[in-house]
Amino acid sequence: GQNIDQPTEMTATEGAIVQINCTYQTSGFNGLFWYQQHAGEAPTFLSYNVLDGLEEKGRFSSFLSRSKGYSYLLLKELQMKDSASYLCAVRAWGQNFVFGPGTRLSVLP
Amino acid sequence: GAGVSQSPSNKVTEKGKDVELRCDPISGHTALYWYRQRLGQGLEFLIYFQGNSAPDKSGLPSDRFSAERTGESVSTLTIQRTQQEDSAVYLCASSLVAVQNNEQFFGPGTRLTVL
Repeated sequence: GQNIDQPTEMTATEGAIVQINCTYQTSGFNGLFWYQQHAGEAPTFLSYNVLDGLEEKGRFSSFLSRSKGYSYLLLKELQMKDSASYLCAVRAWGQNFVFGPGTRLSVLP
Repeated sequence: GAGVSQSPSNKVTEKGKDVELRCDPISGHTALYWYRQRLGQGLEFLIYFQGNSAPDKSGLPSDRFSAERTGESVSTLTIQRTQQEDSAVYLCASSLVAVQNNEQFFGPGTRLTVL
């Protein structure tokens, strides 16, 4: 079967660093994606990993370990506008995407 | 257009009625996806179209759900005999399959409420 796990909620302070973990078990693997979704809005693309290692893009970084079925999204210098849900998604095979339940991040002043 | 568009933005219907949701993908995007998102939950894959290939319907929850796409343009998702459990936001996304990272661009969604 297909399964993706993420923490349901996280809280962090403005200016801090937060790491959102994602573990997956899928029938096949062809890339892992992170999306940001503000309340009431559509998801927007943040990052993509297909090889092991760290991908950095500004304040956001994403890490992948295929052998462990594990990824994390690292957000640095948190801002209030980063309060949103963060969705981990795996392209399992072909164009079949499996999304996790999302992690709701609250950034406090 | 600049992005993926969906209509209507909101739909309220009575139990048992049929509804039709529309998605206009980004021009040139060959792949199109439909997802369902219940309140406070993650995205649930429904169906995927790629060019003229047979669609992947593996996520459709029942035979009351169906979708069509004409070529590489607009798609419609139809829900027959709606039930209260169908209440959710229905999101459409499109992507350029030829691109390795295959980023999906999402529309604003249609919020369906079944009374």
